[in-house]
Order: sequence, then C-alpha cells, then structure tokens
Amino acid sequence: QVQLVESGGGVVQPGRSLRLSCAASGFIFSNYGMHWVRQVPGKGLEWVAVVSSEGSNKFYADSVKGRSTISRDNSYNTLYLQINSLRVEDTAVYYCAKDHGAVGEDYFDYWGQGTLVTVSS
Amino acid sequence: DIVMTQTPLSLSVTPGQPASISCKSSQSLLHSDGKTYLYWYLQKPGQPPQLLIYEVSNRFSGVPDRFSGSGSGTEFTLKISRVEAEDVGFYYCMQSVHLWTFGQGTKVDI
Repeated sequence: QVQLVESGGGVVQPGRSLRLSCAASGFIFSNYGMHWVRQVPGKGLEWVAVVSSEGSNKFYADSVKGRSTISRDNSYNTLYLQINSLRVEDTAVYYCAKDHGAVGEDYFDYWGQGTLVTVSS
Repeated sequence: DIVMTQTPLSLSVTPGQPASISCKSSQSLLHSDGKTYLYWYLQKPGQPPQLLIYEVSNRFSGVPDRFSGSGSGTEFTLKISRVEAEDVGFYYCMQSVHLWTFGQGTKVDI
C-alpha cells in the first residue's frame, strides 16, 4: 500500500531555514508527480509546491515562491522541501501528497500524516 | 487565483439522514480537454485528508457508495445519502484547473 512519511519538522526561529523530507513506498515513486500541501493548525489547506516525476518541472505557491525549493531523489524514493527565510506565517503541518499522474498537474490521491513546523522566536 | 466557496461551513447531521455540501468556484472548472477538475476530500479528526471524489462524480477506490458528487461549470455538490458516525470531519472541495486551491472546509458532526 502507498505510504508517505514526512520528517524534518520542529521549532525554528524566524529567518532560519528548514528542509522537510518525505519517504515514499508502496508505489513506483519515479512515475508520479509529488506535492507539498500545508495546513495551519485548525485552519484550511494550502497547496505549496509540486515537482514532476523526473524532477524537471516545479511550481510554487506565491506564498513561498523565491524562498522555497522542492526537489526529489528518485534513487531514494524521497521528496524534499527546503524553505528559507522562514516566517511566523509558515507555521503549519506540512503534508506530502502523491499526484495521480506523472506530470504533477492532476490531483492528490494519497497523503502522508504530516510534519509540524513551528516558526517562533 | 480561483476561489472556492463552500456552504454551509458547519453541518450537524443525524445518523441515517442525508447531508449535502455545496461548492462554488470563481471560474469554470471545465478544461479544454473536456474534463472538469473538481475534487472532494474528507479530513477525519487527527488524520490527513483522504480523497473521496475525483473529477466531479467519480468515487475513489474504497469510498462507500453513499458518497456522490455532481455539478458542472462553477457549481458542485457532495451528497451523503445516509450519514454514518465515521463520516464526521471536515470536507473540502478542491480545483486543479489552475494550480490547486481548496474551499474553506465544511465541518460535519453528529
């Protein structure tokens, strides 16, 4: 069965950087686009970034564009999200989610359990 | 950005009774390829969202047939024919015609 396990969350000071990881199993990772979606505790869902199956195409939400990098290592079935210049408003649970297709333009069919990032001084 | 608006934001239901959630988009979700890119997710307490419905009306694998989706263009509806206790949580509609945006969520409780 599809499993997505996020890690790397924690408490970080404003202005610092953080790299999140998502370990995937149960499917052919290199065949599918992958996303990051975040959720402020008690609030709604916000799409953050997407990377295509081979890693060449990437898109970002305006809220993180220019200070975030999504990447993947298909040899290790792992997805990453690096966020720089962290802001208090980046505080959220970050979910990785599998795209239904390869390009990363479809929908999210499986989600991980999420990792909490708290930006606070 | 495409704005997704759900109503109601909260819904208290009786087990065995039907329930309905509306979702309206600020632009048509009909793509030039003929598909309509509207989805429904359920986030149960303490869990990540799970896919219920894709492309307006298709139930995802393992989703009970008491869940159904309908609509077109900019107006969509999720219906639960007979609510069960395990259906409580937040329901979100989502579009993927242009990037991805979610509705605010509808809290369903019993």
